[in-house]
Amino acid sequence: GAGVSQSPSNKVTEKGKDVELRCDPISGHTALYWYRQSLGQGLEFLIYFQGNSAPDKSGLPSDRFSAERTGGSVSTLTIQRTQQEDSAVYLCASSSRQGKRSYEQYFGPGTRLTVT
Amino acid sequence: QKEVEQNSGPLSVPEGAIASLNCTYSDRGSQSFFWYRQYSGKSPELIMFIYSNGDKEDGRFTAQLNKASQYVSLLIRDSQPSDSATYLCAAPIDYKLSFGAGTTVTVRA
Repeated sequence: GAGVSQSPSNKVTEKGKDVELRCDPISGHTALYWYRQSLGQGLEFLIYFQGNSAPDKSGLPSDRFSAERTGGSVSTLTIQRTQQEDSAVYLCASSSRQGKRSYEQYFGPGTRLTVT
Repeated sequence: QKEVEQNSGPLSVPEGAIASLNCTYSDRGSQSFFWYRQYSGKSPELIMFIYSNGDKEDGRFTAQLNKASQYVSLLIRDSQPSDSATYLCAAPIDYKLSFGAGTTVTVRA
């Protein structure tokens, strides 16, 4: 079956511009996560959606970052007024939240964001 | 603060040797544990899942879980150059999967 997809795969933007990153999770997966990974660094949790519950936004680094998930499926991460320190790979993952393997996450290929 | 910690590495092993990776977690309520492998420039991919105390073997990989000690490990037997990657340990904490910082393994030919 289809895995997690993300678009675009690469995005180059000028400092101060807004960007939108898209994630399409595995069909039927109720949980969706966004992470950021800077070069050579670990995964930085950004935001977590689970079903119809209020999202866990505890990892968003500033109010320039926001995310929404429409219809319990596709999610969009928006970064307003981008800064050079926002340059990173943005990863999306989804999980089914059912059974013993409920927390098992499947990752998309990521979006590499470069802010010039 | 609840978290997942890994031995920081990097870890360099000769081809054919055993690579041993360790992870501790702070939430006694965690019931399932995952090991992910991430090649440079790629996304993490799941390689092992364990939820029972003891050992779980899958090919050259063995995961070991000790819930009393809140410790999970990954052994890579007969290490190959293709095993060179960063390995991430993960456990559910506060109802979401939390990842360790990762251990980078290099297998020397």
